[in-house]
Amino acid sequence: EAGVAQSPRYKIIEKRQSVAFWCNPISGHATLYWYQQILGQGPKLLIQFQNNGVVDDSQLPKDRFSAERLKGVDSTLKIQPAKLEDSAVYLCASSLLGEAFFGQGTRLTVV
Amino acid sequence: QKEVEQDPGPLSVPEGAIVSLNCTYSNSAFQYFMWYRQYSRKGPELLMYTYSSGNKEDGRFTAQVDKSSKYISLFIRDSQPSDSATYLCAMTTDSWGKFQFGAGTQVVVTP
Repeated sequence: EAGVAQSPRYKIIEKRQSVAFWCNPISGHATLYWYQQILGQGPKLLIQFQNNGVVDDSQLPKDRFSAERLKGVDSTLKIQPAKLEDSAVYLCASSLLGEAFFGQGTRLTVV
Repeated sequence: QKEVEQDPGPLSVPEGAIVSLNCTYSNSAFQYFMWYRQYSRKGPELLMYTYSSGNKEDGRFTAQVDKSSKYISLFIRDSQPSDSATYLCAMTTDSWGKFQFGAGTQVVVTP
């Protein structure tokens, strides 16, 4: 069974630039999550999708972050414009029956 | 006060020793409990998944949940250098809910 795929693995951008991350969840998993993990901290939920509908985006900074899940499968997370404090690992996870499986993450550095 | 508290460590043990990790939480509605292992520059890997109180064993790993004390534990027997990683606890109120993570405990197993 293929795992959660994420790209790119690494990204370096200047502040105020925009960036997008892509996630392909495990086939058949209806729930998809985007988490932000700052160095030394546990992952923090940004947004949760159930199929292509948003279940929870209460911690998503909506003035600069956006996310979509097309046709209930792949998802993209965008940051525009980026700030220095957005430097983190962005993790995508998917689940079917409560067990969440994570991708390798995208390490974003904003300079 | 954070919803989930976890000692960040580092926890250093000699090879072959038992590693004991724990998390405390404040939300009595949590019912699903997970332990993840995260190697440096990798995404979290699901180790154990338990529902409600009780014990669960899988190979060298044992997970315990005590809902009355709001306390969960992970034990690793016969620890190996390859067990050196950060261990994250996570929990959620239902199988569709967002996962609340601890900050992670860094474990170092020395040969």
